[in-house]
Amino acid sequence: LAKTTQPISMDSYEGQEVNITCSHNNIATNDYITWYQQFPSQGPRFIIQGYKTKVTNEVASLFIPADRKSSTLSLPRVSLSDTAVYYCLVGDLLNAGNMLTFGGGTRLMVKP
Amino acid sequence: DTGVSQDPRHKITKRGQNVTFRCDPISEHNRLYWYRQTLGQGPEFLTYFQNEAQLEKSRLLSDRFSAERPKGSFSTLEIQRTEQGDSAMYLCASSPDGGGYYGYTFGSGTRLTVV
Repeated sequence: LAKTTQPISMDSYEGQEVNITCSHNNIATNDYITWYQQFPSQGPRFIIQGYKTKVTNEVASLFIPADRKSSTLSLPRVSLSDTAVYYCLVGDLLNAGNMLTFGGGTRLMVKP
Repeated sequence: DTGVSQDPRHKITKRGQNVTFRCDPISEHNRLYWYRQTLGQGPEFLTYFQNEAQLEKSRLLSDRFSAERPKGSFSTLEIQRTEQGDSAMYLCASSPDGGGYYGYTFGSGTRLTVV
């Protein structure tokens, strides 16, 4: 599975847009990019997944450049409740047995 | 169906005791995973089931650990002769056969403290 690098922590204020970038230089052709969110004392929660270009859902947007060596999770107008750890994962998730490999994640702190 | 359920939520045990955790996945999900998470770290893969078959095990899963998924429904994770290093959050996740296309659904975990 491709190794990922993301910032350890980020601070933001309510109402701002937050962009968290993840580097994955060794991404393979069959790899997808998936982001999870985790609150304290809870399991990770799937946010968004993409292969290339841009994906948007009701929670976030995911931007993936043409070379796919990085990706950016964009959270619009964050609130205090978006304070969490965000994990970027890269892998061929379609194949049976390909488990998720989590890195250390990015700890986002949203301040009032 | 309200998602992946794990029981108990918290478990405190003395070193050397055996503990067992239970996971009830989303009913239509054929795949079930166990992860372990220590403080400040991301979850680490332990093992994976496709229906009742255990298809993958991490080297983190020492011989003191055993997992089962009888009849392909709920799963149990047992730790024998617990050690203080086993203290962690144990997370269960499930997914449909499409795997990563749909994301994995995690439970809230069982927090184990070995004293």
